[in-house]
Amino acid sequence: GAGVSQSPSNKVTEKGKDVELRCDPISGHTALYWYRQRLGQGLEFLIYFQGNSAPDKSGLPSDRFSAERTGESVSTLTIQRTQQEDSAVYLCASSLMAGAGYGYTFGSGTRLTVV
Amino acid sequence: ILNVEQSPQSLHVQEGDSTNFTCSFPSSNFYALHWYRWETAKSPEALFVMTLNGDEKKKGRISATLNTKEGYSYLYIKGSQPEDSATYLCSLGGGADGLTFGKGTHLIIQP
Repeated sequence: GAGVSQSPSNKVTEKGKDVELRCDPISGHTALYWYRQRLGQGLEFLIYFQGNSAPDKSGLPSDRFSAERTGESVSTLTIQRTQQEDSAVYLCASSLMAGAGYGYTFGSGTRLTVV
Repeated sequence: ILNVEQSPQSLHVQEGDSTNFTCSFPSSNFYALHWYRWETAKSPEALFVMTLNGDEKKKGRISATLNTKEGYSYLYIKGSQPEDSATYLCSLGGGADGLTFGKGTHLIIQP
């Protein structure tokens, strides 16, 4: 597609429920990144994919968080047993390739609120 | 973990005035520095990707410089307009990993 698409744009969920966030990157972009921004904080790196593999999962905050990518395209970020501290804007970005010299194109984000 | 510091945290500027703000980072093992503009309710938009010491990039009224030896980058906005109001994010890349972002400078242009 023309840009990075994320869904849903907003999600309100009850504490303890599982949520799934979706990212559809720009076609042909091999690298895909997940970040989140909690209130008053900077952008926090979660995970990135080169193709369908995730060389760096170090940013995932706990084992309740998991992510996968299939077909070198769509990625889903799953949060199990959500907690209030998971409330944040979750941003997905893609780039032509992994590497610091490649600019990111971001999606509009998913605003997750855990009540 | 890379430490990317941005200052000031927020800035109020009169329309028509020029302004600048700073991104500081460790000067060792530098790969690339990115600037993004993030307007409310929109996605962050890439402004510049800078890789070489002494790099100077320009996009309209916005420009940026890079000093990798001393570990800083400046972003300049000339003749600020209300549409420049946004959070400006600086980020540093460490090779093949994801970028590390600073907390941003929140710029408000007052008419």
